[in-house]
Amino acid sequence: GQQVMQIPQYQHVQEGEDFTTYCNSSTTLSNIQWYKQRPGGHPVFLIQLVKSGEVKKQKRLTFQFGEAKKNSSLHITATQTTDVGTYFCAPTSGGSYIPTFGRGTSLIVHP
Amino acid sequence: DADVTQTPRNRITKTGKRIMLECSQTKGHDRMYWYRQDPGLGLQLIYYSFDVKDINKGEISDGYSVSRQAQAKFSLSLESAIPNQTALYFCATALGGGPDTQYFGPGTRLTVL
Repeated sequence: GQQVMQIPQYQHVQEGEDFTTYCNSSTTLSNIQWYKQRPGGHPVFLIQLVKSGEVKKQKRLTFQFGEAKKNSSLHITATQTTDVGTYFCAPTSGGSYIPTFGRGTSLIVHP
Repeated sequence: DADVTQTPRNRITKTGKRIMLECSQTKGHDRMYWYRQDPGLGLQLIYYSFDVKDINKGEISDGYSVSRQAQAKFSLSLESAIPNQTALYFCATALGGGPDTQYFGPGTRLTVL
């Protein structure tokens, strides 16, 4: 099946520092979604990237899709305590519409 | 999302017992999914259904079964629970017709002793 690696597994930052999580695939992806799960909560859809090299922004969050459509990243500028949670990438490939979830990156923000 | 509900929210049971987890949605979505979440392992797909007459196995279906009673209801059963099925279980829905943006329920925390 599709192999998706998400790094790092954990990231501790001081409030105000930047944060980046990476999602790497061994196969070319059709599209990629990103979800956020707050502690004790459920995953919530953030965004979907479809085009090669696509960049989308949501306030302090910047999402990128690699030119080869084999990797993606999520960058948070000037983290806040409200950013705490686990961020999952969930790509699809081939003809499947079902996303495969990475293991997630847990972000811990220290005030 | 209150549009996707799961019952029970917490359950403690013993090895060998039959357990049913239920999921209901008011979003009008055709597609429904069951996932299992273990610490550090992300979300693993157990079963999915694209409509009432369509049931498909996911990557970890062994030991589980499902029933799609209606468009709005999708239940997950553990016929004979075992301790390594202790996990957080999520139901999700998707509209369909393209890459599935998934809407998750609040989850059921299951403990098998």
